[in-house]
Amino acid sequence: GESVGLHLPTLSVQEGDNSIINCAYSNSASDYFIWYKQESGKGPQFIIDIRSNMDKRQGQRVTVLLNKTVKHLSLQIAATQPGDSAVYFCATPPSGSARQLTFGSGTQLTVLP
Amino acid sequence: ETGVTQSPTHLIKTRGQQVTLRCSSQSGHNTVSWYQQALGQGPQFIFQYYREEENGRGNFPPRFSGLQFPNYSSELNVNALELDDSALYLCASTKASLNYGYTFGSGTRLTVV
Repeated sequence: GESVGLHLPTLSVQEGDNSIINCAYSNSASDYFIWYKQESGKGPQFIIDIRSNMDKRQGQRVTVLLNKTVKHLSLQIAATQPGDSAVYFCATPPSGSARQLTFGSGTQLTVLP
Repeated sequence: ETGVTQSPTHLIKTRGQQVTLRCSSQSGHNTVSWYQQALGQGPQFIFQYYREEENGRGNFPPRFSGLQFPNYSSELNVNALELDDSALYLCASTKASLNYGYTFGSGTRLTVV
C-alpha cells in the first residue's frame, strides 16, 4: 500500500538558519504532495503543496523540492524563526482515494535561540 | 470566516463504553473527513462524508461510524472502546471542488482507561 515516511523524527536548528525536512514515498504513481505544520495542541495547517509535474515550488520562506527519480521530497524553511517550531508532516493521496490523505510520521522541528 | 470547531476538546472514557465526537465544518465547506492521530504519529484517515453519505473509508473497524448533517456538521461515533482508541481525533473540512484543500480542527483528545 501507499506509504510516506520522514527521515528524521527530530531536527534542531539555530534561529536564523535554514531548515531542511525530508520525506520519502513509496508509490511512483503519487502525483500530489502536501506539507503540513502542526503546532502543539492544534490540528495540521497547510504550508505548501506540489504536483508531480513540478520539481520545485516556492512560498513565503518555504520551498518544496520533489525528486521523482528517488521518490523524495523536502521542505526548506529559510531563516527559521521560533514560531516555526512544530511537527511537520508530508502527505499524499493514495491511488484511487476519495480525497483521503496518507501522512508520514512527522519531524519535530525545534528552533534554538 | 469561522474555521473547523470540534467538541469536546478532551474526553476520558472507560474501555467498552461508547463515545460521540462532534465537528462543525468551516463555512462554505460541504465535505468532512475524520482522522485518528496516535501520540507521535501522523494522522490516519478514518472516513469521509459528502452529502450526508460516507464517501471513502480507511482501515478502521465498523465500530467506528459517522454521520453528516444537512448543515454539513458531522459526528464520529466509536463503540466498544478499546485502550488503543486513545488518540487525538481530527476533523477536516473542504469544499468538494477544492481537491485536498482541507482545513483541520484542533481535535478531540480521547483517553480510554
